[in-house]
Amino acid sequence: NAGVTQTPKFQVLKTGQSMTLQCAQDMNHEYMSWYRQDPGMGLRLIHYSVGAGITDQGEVPNGYNVSRSTTEDFPLRLLSAAPSQTSVYFCASSSSSRTYEQYFGPGTRLTVT
Amino acid sequence: KNEVEQSPQNLTAQEGEFITINCSYSVGISALHWLQQHPGGGIVSLFMLSSGKKKHGRLIATINIQEKHSSLHITASHPRDSAVYICAVKETQGGSEKLVFGKGMKLTVNP
Repeated sequence: NAGVTQTPKFQVLKTGQSMTLQCAQDMNHEYMSWYRQDPGMGLRLIHYSVGAGITDQGEVPNGYNVSRSTTEDFPLRLLSAAPSQTSVYFCASSSSSRTYEQYFGPGTRLTVT
Repeated sequence: KNEVEQSPQNLTAQEGEFITINCSYSVGISALHWLQQHPGGGIVSLFMLSSGKKKHGRLIATINIQEKHSSLHITASHPRDSAVYICAVKETQGGSEKLVFGKGMKLTVNP
């Protein structure tokens, strides 16, 4: 199994540009989440999904959209990038059948200039 | 709102020392996770606890639900244990798998 994969690893955007961060998992996990990690702060939940077709907002959802059309994929869209969205983004998945052990992707380092 | 506090924030140890990392939280939880973030950035799950104690190799995690406190112990520490250790809790409210994270504790083990 590849586990949780994220692309790209690094990205530089200009203010106002849009882009999609990709996340995929091949473990048939029902739960998937997007977090951002900023210096001096814990991981913060952006959006999450409890299954295909079901998404909900986390702690810091503004400026981001998600969709979950399949169990495997959970893309994160930045609608109009802002410097405040400069961060490291992590995708994670878990399953009730594995007692919710968290599996994280390698992260995407995004810089918005 | 659940606050997850970790202490200490940073710790430097000598190889071979016994290390304890603490995590406290403010509201009822159904589970607590200990995670390790390597210097390269990757995050791996170490333990998930809802009660008692778990052991894996040189790592031991304990939780006291009544005192709202968990500890992660590292025995015979090694430079490869240098990482950020993160505590995360799942609150008992709600049916979703939302976690609240501590800020992490940076451990440096010198040879």
